[in-house]
Amino acid sequence: DTEVTQTPKHLVMGMTNKKSLKCEQHMGHRAMYWYKQKAKKPPELMFVYSYEKLSINESVPSRFSPECPNSSLLNLHLHALQPEDSALYLCASSQILQGGFSKPQHFGDGTRLSIL
Amino acid sequence: AQKITQTQPGMFVQEKEAVTLDCTYDTSDQSYGLFWYKQPSSGEMIFLIYQGSYDEQNATEGRYSLNFQKARKSANLVISASQLGDSAMYFCAMREALHLIQGAQKLVFGQGTRLTINP
Repeated sequence: DTEVTQTPKHLVMGMTNKKSLKCEQHMGHRAMYWYKQKAKKPPELMFVYSYEKLSINESVPSRFSPECPNSSLLNLHLHALQPEDSALYLCASSQILQGGFSKPQHFGDGTRLSIL
Repeated sequence: AQKITQTQPGMFVQEKEAVTLDCTYDTSDQSYGLFWYKQPSSGEMIFLIYQGSYDEQNATEGRYSLNFQKARKSANLVISASQLGDSAMYFCAMREALHLIQGAQKLVFGQGTRLTINP
């Protein structure tokens, strides 16, 4: 079992639907991330939150809207998605450390999203 | 910009043999970090091992070790005594120092190597 919990595991939605992906961690991590991963490709970073504030947005289309309501939760709101948005969406979290020292990101199991 | 190259799209290894997965990187930073992740077919990304650019010794974690050759800019993952459960996709990743914004980190991933362990 992972320490980062993502729900739902699978989601099928039409292009006109509105849905949300949820991510929760209780490790006290203050950095949280959303990634998109297409089949047989590496994960691509979408958003980074540091101390509940958006610090990186990798030019993601506005039909994806992230939200970090508190230090344990991260949401990704979806609206008017396209078929090419079908992918595995991974959430991750990490400790925030100063001085350039790195701690690994901990990933959830992901949400497999299919757009009809 | 940083870049990670994994030249082995797929590898097939007999159970109990050791296996080396290649990773080379390109960066102009003096301070950087290298990670290896395992991704089974279930989708979860599992952290395996970390090597910092200033670490003098190669990192080891159980059956995993990292063969870090800084001058060659390579960070190969070595799995000893492979097991059937090691079959998965393996990603090498590097932390971009310039994007250590407020302590968060941006990872650059290689294309991955699919490892299959045969019984």
